[in-house]
Amino acid sequence: AQSVTQLGSHVSVSEGALVLLRCNYSSSVPPYLFWYVQYPNQGLQLLLKYTTGATLVKGINGFEAEFKKSETSFHLTKPSAHMSDAAEYFCAVRGGGFQKLVFGTGTRLLVSP
Amino acid sequence: NAGVTQTPKFQVLKTGQSMTLQCAQDMNHEYMSWYRQDPGMGLRLIHYSVGAGITDQGEVPNGYNVSRSTTEDFPLRLLSAAPSQTSVYFCASSYSGVQSSYEQYFGPGTRLTVT
Repeated sequence: AQSVTQLGSHVSVSEGALVLLRCNYSSSVPPYLFWYVQYPNQGLQLLLKYTTGATLVKGINGFEAEFKKSETSFHLTKPSAHMSDAAEYFCAVRGGGFQKLVFGTGTRLLVSP
Repeated sequence: NAGVTQTPKFQVLKTGQSMTLQCAQDMNHEYMSWYRQDPGMGLRLIHYSVGAGITDQGEVPNGYNVSRSTTEDFPLRLLSAAPSQTSVYFCASSYSGVQSSYEQYFGPGTRLTVT
């Protein structure tokens, strides 16, 4: 069965600091991996995705993630945090069958001035 | 394209009442799904549909019904609301053709409170 573990329910950084949000997955099929962002009182918006090919994936708003098969990881990074990055971030993996996605429990990113 | 739309945005129900949460998409996606979001639990799949006339249960289906009479619409019905169904509900859709990347598009959500 597919599963996702996000380490840290809350991550705090200062504006301008490196952002690192961790995601580890378990999958019995070649993984398709996603990061979604949720701003307060809004739906989920796709940040980036890995399907096949290049393991370093660039997304919107300066975020990127690297697929590491040997570590079963797909960590999200951004070199310099901005106040507008404060949101909840969800990692997801293709689930078993059809179009299902399995989501992690989310990490809330707090950015302080 | 409006994408995925959901109505209502907010709803308060009394225990035992029933209601329908509406979801529609205009992207001609075959796959549609309903999730509930609760603090610390991420998104949990309630029901999903792979096309008109075909639905199936997800992880937490009890207390909810769905139907899919058209490609565009996928309503979620609460049969007899309970306080445990207080949550934020998201509808999502996805293209499921051969070249699908499994990316799901989400609606803005419905915040439901059951008293």
